[in-house]
Amino acid sequence: DAGITQSPRYKITETGRQVTLMCHQTWSHSYMFWYRQDLGHGLRLIYYSAAADITDKGEVPDGYVVSRSKTENFPLTLESATRSQTSVYFCASSVILPSGDTQYFGPGTRLTVL
Amino acid sequence: SQQGEEDPQALSIQEGENATMNCSYKTSINNLQWYRQNSGRGLVHLILIRSNEREKHSGRLRVTLDTSKKSSSLLITASRAADTASYFCATDTQRGAQKLVFGQGTRLTINP
Repeated sequence: DAGITQSPRYKITETGRQVTLMCHQTWSHSYMFWYRQDLGHGLRLIYYSAAADITDKGEVPDGYVVSRSKTENFPLTLESATRSQTSVYFCASSVILPSGDTQYFGPGTRLTVL
Repeated sequence: SQQGEEDPQALSIQEGENATMNCSYKTSINNLQWYRQNSGRGLVHLILIRSNEREKHSGRLRVTLDTSKKSSSLLITASRAADTASYFCATDTQRGAQKLVFGQGTRLTINP
């Protein structure tokens, strides 16, 4: 876990505000991911990135924007936060191995939208 | 939609007993992975089993995979209080895509 960090760890915001969650990894892993975790839904993929400047949608991308100008950073922006985006957000990274990829998760950001 | 479904949703056992969790999935896979999540923390990778493997061991962990039944099980032997956590299976269905689909998890409680 020491190689992937998220900030802030806790965030409270109001409906309609823009919020950016930061993710930084020190391993130079090519792939990075954003998930949200909600009771009853497990982890759901929001966006992922195969490399710098390459991003793609996951299962639940609506209302979110990502960018990846540098390999080590993968910020997630909620353009206009809604109460339904209250959740715990996890960033992860992985590297391609012949045996299959495993993902390394950050500690999470707990976001509350009032 | 969820690819993997864990069973049971919650499991409570005494320290020293074995814990078995099951995962079922819907589509063909390249590999299946198990992760652990301690309360308030991120997920930690435990073990990966490829679609052409039937059983794999890692310390006190034993994972089986039955592709004909589209199911996997995770056995933790000689459980310890520190094993208290949620356990998730995740399936890799698209070769090279690095995308995993997670189940909803089994919450395991080890009672001292």
